[in-house]
Amino acid sequence: EPEVTQTPSHQVTQMGQEVILRCVPISNHLYFYWYRQILGQKVEFLVSFYNNEISEKSEIFDDQFSVERPDGSNFTLKIRSTKLEDSAMYFCASAGPRNTEAFFGQGTRLTVV
Amino acid sequence: QQQVKQSPQSLIVQKGGIPIINCAYENTAFDYFPWYQQFPGKGPALLIAIRPDVSEKKEGRFTISFNKSAKQFSLHIMDSQPGDSATYFCAANRGNTPFVFGKGTRLSVIA
Repeated sequence: EPEVTQTPSHQVTQMGQEVILRCVPISNHLYFYWYRQILGQKVEFLVSFYNNEISEKSEIFDDQFSVERPDGSNFTLKIRSTKLEDSAMYFCASAGPRNTEAFFGQGTRLTVV
Repeated sequence: QQQVKQSPQSLIVQKGGIPIINCAYENTAFDYFPWYQQFPGKGPALLIAIRPDVSEKKEGRFTISFNKSAKQFSLHIMDSQPGDSATYFCAANRGNTPFVFGKGTRLSVIA
């Protein structure tokens, strides 16, 4: 069964450092998302990506964040200068042409120290 | 307008019971309503979904009831089992917009 894969599963970084979270969406999907979940809390939307550009972003997704689809398969989230409050689980998701049935990866646990 | 309000925050039921989780939305343009199940340390997994043209959808032990006029939908788990213990999220979207999630319900099914 096709699945969304995310790497790394866990990343610890020092405050102020840059991190790149990687995702390989399901191959024939067209809609890509990053969500984050602070421990025990709701799943929060960060950004959506369609047709090789950002289609929507939340107020959380400020200038410190960026997304890329560098090679047509991988989908990355970069945080330029991490803050303590960026510590969370980051989930990548993808959906097919009708943008239903979004499939989530297993997540990257980011810990900023 | 973009919120999906979910209740209760947590729920404990006996094995075999029927937990019910409720969600309410404001945006009448939403046209797709999925439920996700999340186990600790895992990503949300799609469980079941409904569109507003039907009032009920059943898949195995999971049923969604949808009330378009009240702008509410709910998840029922029949014959609940300890393995159903997880956090459940309702969500909604329309067309090519992102999914908006409820705050989640932590379900514990005790034997």
